[in-house]
Formats: sequence, C-alpha cells, structure tokens
Amino acid sequence: QLQLQESGPGLVKPSETLSLTCTVSGGSISSSSYYWGWIRQPPGKGLEWIGSIYYSGSTYYNPSLKSRVTISVDTSKNQFSLKLSSVTAADTAVYYCARHKRVTPPDYWGQGTLVTVSS
Amino acid sequence: QSVLTQPPSASGTPGQRVTISCSGSSSNIGSNYVYWYQQLPGTAPKLLIYRNNQRPSGVPDRFSGSKSGTSASLAISGLRSEDEADYYCAAWDDSLSGYWVFGGGTKLTVL
Repeated sequence: QLQLQESGPGLVKPSETLSLTCTVSGGSISSSSYYWGWIRQPPGKGLEWIGSIYYSGSTYYNPSLKSRVTISVDTSKNQFSLKLSSVTAADTAVYYCARHKRVTPPDYWGQGTLVTVSS
Repeated sequence: QSVLTQPPSASGTPGQRVTISCSGSSSNIGSNYVYWYQQLPGTAPKLLIYRNNQRPSGVPDRFSGSKSGTSASLAISGLRSEDEADYYCAAWDDSLSGYWVFGGGTKLTVL
C-alpha cells in the first residue's frame, strides 16, 4: 500500500524559506508512470496546487508561485522536497504531498502537515 | 480567489438528491476533464469522480458527475449523514505553461 508522509518544521519566520520533505513508502518514486506533487490548503480555505516533479527531475509549477518555489527529488531516499522562499503569513497552510499522473490530479495523498508562518 | 467557482455551501436532508456546481472557462473545464474530491474534516481529499463522470472503485454509485461546456456538476443521491464533507472540483488549465486548478470548495451539510 502506497504511503506518503510529509515532514519538516511546523513554524517558519516571515521572509524565510519553508522546507518540507515527502517520504514515499510502499512504492518507488522512480516509477515511470507518476509525478509527485505538493498541494496546500490555508486554514478554512480551498486547495491550491503548488507544483510537481518527475523522478527524472522535470518540474512544473503553479504560475502564481513559480518565482518562489523549488521542488527536487532524491530517488536514492525515495523522497521529494519543497522549498518556498520569502514566506509571509499568507503561506500558512496545511501542505500535502501527493502522487499523480501527468494528465490526472492526485490519487494518493499524504496526511498533510500544518506550517505556520509567524515571528 | 480560486480559478474554478463553486458555491460555498449546500445542504439537504437524508435521502434527498443534491447537486454542487463548478464553473470554469474555456482553458480549463471547457477543454479538459473535471475531477471531484471529497474531504472529510481533518483528512486529506479523496478522489470521488475522475474524467467528468467516472467513479474509482469503492465509490458508491450515489455519486455522479457531469460536464457541459465550461461547467460541471456533482450529484449526490440518497443523501446520507456520512456525506457531510467539503467537495472540490479540479481541472487542468491550459493557460501559460499549464497547471492544475481547484474550486474553492463546497461545504455540504446534511440536515
């Protein structure tokens, strides 16, 4: 059974960089069929896709966040990571990692991790 | 402000049929498939409908999806208390380099 687990600091200061890692178990991140992505959900609000990566390192991002986002993959550890720079309070959200195919949205999700941006 | 527009709330009594709408544009719903997610409180979203009207295995046939032009709908028949959740539509948007867009979500209350 595929499982995804987010990890990282739950509190980040304004203007700093948010860093999260997603560990994939029960399956290989190097599968040729899937992309690995990040989605966030501010408290009480809707979902926002951040970006995704293929095991080869190919990425695509939400245009509204592209200038601040970097997603990377470490196939040796079966992990992929998110970095979001210059954060503000508006970046406070539950961050989910997920699996999807190129032409379909996520089918497997992590449980999510709350990241609060505050001094 | 979400790219896809949903009503913030919907409600119904047990056994009723309710529908939730999702409005987009030619660059997303108008030219791509629509997906629907169900999110129970405190949990990650669960895929409910894919490719406009297909149900993953395990999803009851009480849930159905449809699409027309730049709008889509999710219908839930035989409403049950456990259907009380947030529902989100999603679609690929062809603008710029292409990206996934979601609706703002609809909170369904079972009265």
